[in-house]
Amino acid sequence: AQTVTQSQPEMSVQEAETVTLSCTYDTSESDYYLFWYKQPPSRQMILVIRQEAYKQQNATENRFSVNFQKAAKSFSLKISDSQLGDAAMYFCAYRRGAQKLVFGQGTRLTINP
Amino acid sequence: NAGVTQTPKFQVLKTGQSMTLQCAQDMNHNSMYWYRQDPGMGLRLIYYSASEGTTDKGEVPNGYNVSRLNKREFSLRLESAAPSQTSVYFCASSDRLAGFGTGELFFGEGSRLTVL
Repeated sequence: AQTVTQSQPEMSVQEAETVTLSCTYDTSESDYYLFWYKQPPSRQMILVIRQEAYKQQNATENRFSVNFQKAAKSFSLKISDSQLGDAAMYFCAYRRGAQKLVFGQGTRLTINP
Repeated sequence: NAGVTQTPKFQVLKTGQSMTLQCAQDMNHNSMYWYRQDPGMGLRLIYYSASEGTTDKGEVPNGYNVSRLNKREFSLRLESAAPSQTSVYFCASSDRLAGFGTGELFFGEGSRLTVL
């Protein structure tokens, strides 16, 4: 069974600085998707960034980028120029095809002004 | 731009009572899901429906039943609520194009359920 592990329950960063959230996963498949979701206090789950496993190039979305290491089964999220609005729970998730999404335990990110 | 709509948003039940959480999506998605979120546990899949007419168990199905009423609607029923089912419940949907699709799940805003 696929598992997703986020080893950092909490992280904090100063506003305007850079922070990296870690995620590792376990799978025997070669074709799959990886995601980072953000959950602010409003509870709404918001997709931050997505990576297709067959793509070697790391995905980027404005201030958000990933470091995808397929052989190491690692998928970290880097947030540059952190803003107060980035404070939230962040969940790493794995999905293969049309199958269910498997989530990590989450990392709570605090932004210090 | 409704997306995925869940009702009710909050509910308090007594042990043994029953209730149904409703979910509807307007994106013409094939697949729908029910997750529960507990502190420190992330989101865990209760049931899912890969397409209209099919439902399958997820990680934590005990104590729940589901109905895929049509392509738009997917309900979650608690027949006899227990305090262990106190949680936040999320409905989600996704497309499924040629077997894989874009992979993204779209979530509702969540329903907070408390069982006393």
